[in-house]
Amino acid sequence: DTGVSQNPRHKITKRGQNVTFRCDPISEHNRLYWYRQTLGQGPEFLTYFQNEAQLEKSRLLSDRFSAERPKGSFSTLEIQRTEQGDSAMYLCASSLPSGSSYEQYFGPGTRLTVT
Amino acid sequence: AQSVTQLGSHVSVSEGALVLLRCNYSSSVPPYLFWYVQYPNQGLQLLLKYTTGATLVKGINGFEAEFKKSETSFHLTKPSAHMSDAAEYFCAVSDPFSSNTGKLIFGQGTTLQVKP
Repeated sequence: DTGVSQNPRHKITKRGQNVTFRCDPISEHNRLYWYRQTLGQGPEFLTYFQNEAQLEKSRLLSDRFSAERPKGSFSTLEIQRTEQGDSAMYLCASSLPSGSSYEQYFGPGTRLTVT
Repeated sequence: AQSVTQLGSHVSVSEGALVLLRCNYSSSVPPYLFWYVQYPNQGLQLLLKYTTGATLVKGINGFEAEFKKSETSFHLTKPSAHMSDAAEYFCAVSDPFSSNTGKLIFGQGTTLQVKP
């Protein structure tokens, strides 16, 4: 059991640059979630995939953010034209289909710092 | 809309003392309830969950929580704190009836400090 992995673990970028993060869920999990966590706060939901379909997006996900999950396996989260307010920990989680109480397994996160 | 309130952003206990971390939720129907723990620079690890059935649930590392519908609470307890319990704890809910996504709504977290 390799768990949920995320890459990179840390990313420092200059304002205005684009960044992309990757999440590899647990292999049999068809549900995948992205959350954002700022310092001293709990994670906030960004978006949800069931297999390759993106079924829900939070209002937090501005048009500078885009997420994909091609072939229903790994997922990427891209932020275009980064702003200092984007600095946060980006967490990915995966879970089994409904009927499993939606128990989510989290990756270690990608910490983004925008300078 | 659902929300989660964790009373006390910081809790400090002595090693061996009782740990009590408070969580209240607002929801029109009983949701699924979770407690997660986060160590510095790491992701979240599930401690325990309540879905249906017995209202007292036991989790890992000696933690347990009791779902009290009348009080809309899901407080986390541990009889005897260890130094290794020092971490950030998050209460979370999901509503299996209004949303099929299973997305979690988190509280703001409680930092547990354990003093020797």
